Amino acid sequence: EAGVTQFPSHSVIEKGQTVTLRCDPISGHDNLYWYRRVMGKEIKFLLHFVKESKQDESGMPNNRFLAERTGGTYSTLKVQPAELEDSGVYFCASSPWNPANYGYTFGSGTRLTVV
Amino acid sequence: DQQVKQNSPSLSVQEGRISILNCDYTNSMFDYFLWYKKYPAEGPTFLISISSIKDKNEDGRFTVFLNKSAKHLSLHIVPSQPGDSAVYFCAASANILITGGGNKLTFGTGTQLKVEL
Repeated sequence: EAGVTQFPSHSVIEKGQTVTLRCDPISGHDNLYWYRRVMGKEIKFLLHFVKESKQDESGMPNNRFLAERTGGTYSTLKVQPAELEDSGVYFCASSPWNPANYGYTFGSGTRLTVV
Repeated sequence: DQQVKQNSPSLSVQEGRISILNCDYTNSMFDYFLWYKKYPAEGPTFLISISSIKDKNEDGRFTVFLNKSAKHLSLHIVPSQPGDSAVYFCAASANILITGGGNKLTFGTGTQLKVEL
């Protein structure tokens, strides 16, 4: 079974530019989550999709961040325009409907550097 | 306001000995707890979990203990091996046992474990 795949693995962009991160969850997983880790701190929740619907977007920092999950499959996270404080590692995770039995699986992350 | 706390940023133990990683939480609604291991440049890898209806869960060398009254959990690794050297994250989720569905995870800041030869 393929794991959670994230693309790109690294991205370096200038302040003010736009970046789009992509996540392909494990096939059949209804739940998809975006997290971010900044400067070696805790991994912070950004957003939760159930299929194509946004279940919880309470962690999104501001309206420069836009997440989509078309057709309930892969998801994209766009940052526009990027600011210096957006630098960090963005993780995607997916889980079946009831993760209490099956857990959450994380991707390897996208390291975003805004210069 | 950090709801999941790992107060030890680092821990060093000798190979073969026991590693004990600690985690405290403040949110009484948390009912499912997980430990993740993370190597550099990789995503967190699930290790072991425990629901709030249990006080212990064991999987091979890894055992998680939950003390609900103290809002404290710990991960025991016995015996510790050099390959266990990584950052360990404690995470918690609320209301999973009630809703049955997925909910966001709240993470601690991690503990860097180093297992020395």
